[in-house]
Amino acid sequence: DVKVTQSSRYLVKRTGEKVFLECVQDMDHENMFWYRQDPGLGLRLIYFSYDVKMKEKGDIPEGYSVSREKKERFSLILESASTNQTSMYLCASSSPLAGGHEQYFGPGTRLTVT
Amino acid sequence: GQSLEQPSEVTAVEGAIVQINCTYQTSGFYGLSWYQQHDGGAPTFLSYNALDGLEETGRFSSFLSRSDSYGYLLLQELQMKDSASYFCVLNQAGTALIFGKGTTLSVSS
Repeated sequence: DVKVTQSSRYLVKRTGEKVFLECVQDMDHENMFWYRQDPGLGLRLIYFSYDVKMKEKGDIPEGYSVSREKKERFSLILESASTNQTSMYLCASSSPLAGGHEQYFGPGTRLTVT
Repeated sequence: GQSLEQPSEVTAVEGAIVQINCTYQTSGFYGLSWYQQHDGGAPTFLSYNALDGLEETGRFSSFLSRSDSYGYLLLQELQMKDSASYFCVLNQAGTALIFGKGTTLSVSS
């Protein structure tokens, strides 16, 4: 059974803190993604990665960075958290061999920045 | 740029048929997908249209017309468990997905 896991389901951080969100997939997928989801805005792509040590900016990369040191792990970093980064963060993975249109999502991390 | 438009809310009763429309603007794409997300859950893949026409998967069907920049998701024999948000999604470059804002479907008895 395919699985994407995220390090925390709920997280509360203070403004200015450095925040790490971790994502691990067990499907040997090349592609991994970070989205944020806000009410009425759908899912917006922050960053994605095609391979280890590769990263590409999505639609809203400002204030975020990522790290992919191993194929199965993709980390999202908020260098200095701000209240407007309060959101649901979703990680996903996919295989380019299967067309890439089917992404498998983790359960999400609801981050609150106070 | 790319954009997708879909209704924000749709309501229906159990056993009915509902169609969720999606119109899009893009300079190029590989296909149109649909994802379902229950409240508090993760999005899950439902269907994909690479070519024009109808794709059927059980009670769900999806349609694409590239000439009309239009697609839809058809849900038949609605059940209470179909109450969820449904997203139409552009598949670009085979990897990056562009999500619409989602349609909340409420099914009542």
